[in-house]
Amino acid sequence: SQTIHQWPATLVQPVGSPLSLECTVEGTSNPNLYWYRQAAGRGLQLLFYSVGIGQISSEVPQNLSASRPQDRQFILSSKKLLLSDSGFYLCAWAGPRHTEAFFGQGTRLTVV
Amino acid sequence: GENVEQHPSTLSVQEGDSAVIKCTYSDSASNYFPWYKQELGKRPQLIIDIRSNVGEKKDQRIAVTLNKTAKHFSLHITETQPEDSAVYFCAASINAGNMLTFGGGTRLMVKP
Repeated sequence: SQTIHQWPATLVQPVGSPLSLECTVEGTSNPNLYWYRQAAGRGLQLLFYSVGIGQISSEVPQNLSASRPQDRQFILSSKKLLLSDSGFYLCAWAGPRHTEAFFGQGTRLTVV
Repeated sequence: GENVEQHPSTLSVQEGDSAVIKCTYSDSASNYFPWYKQELGKRPQLIIDIRSNVGEKKDQRIAVTLNKTAKHFSLHITETQPEDSAVYFCAASINAGNMLTFGGGTRLMVKP
């Protein structure tokens, strides 16, 4: 069966520090991978999506970047965090043989 | 790109009553419409979905309806229970497995 792992679960980082959130998927190959951000009490905003290794599309201009170094690994990064980067970050995957997107457990990031 | 609007943003009902959440979408090419439930601090999880070749789908106390002409779809929860309290998101995509565009979410509160 397919599983998605996302870590860490919570993170408190100072303004200006770097960020690296990792997401890995098991049990499937060539998944579509997504990073979403959810601000407190708000909806899900798509940040990046990837249809293959090295293929990243960005939905909104921002202080973040994403990379896909391996087929089932998706990384969200920042060189210098801003206060406005605080939020709940969710990784998700979907595949052509599946009718839904599966979400990771999420990372609650607080920038202080 | 696709734009999904969701209403209401908050909904409070008495236990046993019905709850209805409505969404509209902009891209007539969208043909897959899932609904996710997100409990506090947890990941969104799929509760029901519908494809464009179907007008209605039911699963126990949950039903979804789709009007492709008007480009709107709705979630209906009957006999609500306190455990139905959560944030519900609608979404749309061109194909299952492809990028989902989410609505802004509805916070449903079921009062015992």
